[in-house]
Amino acid sequence: DAGVIQSPRHEVTEMGQEVTLRCKPISGHDYLFWYRQTMMRGLELLIYFNNNVPIDDSGMPEDRFSAKMPNASFSTLKIQPSEPRDSAVYFCASSLPGQGKSYTFGSGTRLTVV
Amino acid sequence: KNQVEQSPQSLIILEGKNCTLQCNYTVSPFSNLRWYKQDTGRGPVSLTIMTFSENTKSNGRYTATLDADTKQSSLHITASQLSDSASYICVVSATTGANNLFFGTGTRLTVIP
Repeated sequence: DAGVIQSPRHEVTEMGQEVTLRCKPISGHDYLFWYRQTMMRGLELLIYFNNNVPIDDSGMPEDRFSAKMPNASFSTLKIQPSEPRDSAVYFCASSLPGQGKSYTFGSGTRLTVV
Repeated sequence: KNQVEQSPQSLIILEGKNCTLQCNYTVSPFSNLRWYKQDTGRGPVSLTIMTFSENTKSNGRYTATLDADTKQSSLHITASQLSDSASYICVVSATTGANNLFFGTGTRLTVIP
């Protein structure tokens, strides 16, 4: 298994532009999570899906952020319009159901908004 | 308020030495506690996961302990190697919901030769 695959690995964009981050979870994992990591705040949950359905998006900072999961093997996180304070590393993770199941994280997308 | 605090914030040790990282939490109701290792430029990778009834769990040179009464956990690294240089993140899960994870901000460990 190739693990959780995220693209792109790095993204540099100008303020105001639209940014789309992509994630392919591990096959068979029912849960998909989007996290944001910064030096100041560590890892923060943005949104998670169960069986392609968004369950909790209370962590999404603003309406500029949106996420979709059109099928079990693909999810996107979109920021429109992007702002410099959105600069962070965005991680996607997937897991099987159950409290004891370990999450598998992707390698992340480092976003820089200038 | 559910919180996870880790100490120290950063640590530098000589190769071959042992070290212990600390995690204190106030998450309730408690479900499990996980330690993750995050190499620079990579996503976190799970090292151990412990439930309420487990006091100790090992994964090679990594040994995690849990005291559910005092709500403290530690991660002990034995005979450190240069490849242990990474951030170590403590994550505590509450019993309800798949998203009830509370993250510490991590300890940055640097092992020098």
